Amino acid sequence: SQTIHQWPATLVQPVGSPLSLECTVEGTSNPNLYWYRQAAGRGLQLLFYSVGIGQISSEVPQNLSASRPQDRQFILSSKKLLLSDSGFYLCAWSQGPIETQYFGPGTRLLVL
Amino acid sequence: GQQLNQSPQSMFIQEGEDVSMNCTSSSIFNTWLWYKQDPGEGPVLLIALYKAGELTSNGRLTAQFGITRKDSFLNISASIPSDVGIYFCAGQESPMNYGGSQGNLIFGKGTKLSVKP
Repeated sequence: SQTIHQWPATLVQPVGSPLSLECTVEGTSNPNLYWYRQAAGRGLQLLFYSVGIGQISSEVPQNLSASRPQDRQFILSSKKLLLSDSGFYLCAWSQGPIETQYFGPGTRLLVL
Repeated sequence: GQQLNQSPQSMFIQEGEDVSMNCTSSSIFNTWLWYKQDPGEGPVLLIALYKAGELTSNGRLTAQFGITRKDSFLNISASIPSDVGIYFCAGQESPMNYGGSQGNLIFGKGTKLSVKP
């Protein structure tokens, strides 16, 4: 069966510090991978998606970036965090032509 | 970005009552999905709908893909305390609308369900 992991679970970072969030998927190959942000009390906002290694599409302009160094690894990064980057970050995967996405447990980021 | 209109925003119900929530869109969707999110966790897929008019059940949950392909509803029968959480709808736009083959999901803002024992 497929599983998706996110690391770390929670993170408190000062403004201006760098960020690296990791997402890994097991039990499937060549998945579509997604990064979402969920602000408090709001829905999910798609940040990035990837259909393959090294292929990243950005949905919204921001100071975040994403990379996919391996087939089942998706990384969300920032060089300098802003207060507005605080939120709950969710990674998701899907397979095949049907966009049924499965989510990871999320990373809660607090920027102070 | 575009969002779905999901209602109600929140519900406070008594255990044993039935629940109904819905989502509407101005765009035609190919797929409707319903998720449940518990606090501090990622959303979990409950039901996926792929055809207009489709009615699908998962235990006490029933969801329907609207005939116009612009709406969907989720019903929960005989609610129990563990039904508490936030329910999200999500729709995949037609590739024609999106302009490509990668049909991303658009999410509603969620319906927060509280159940009183």
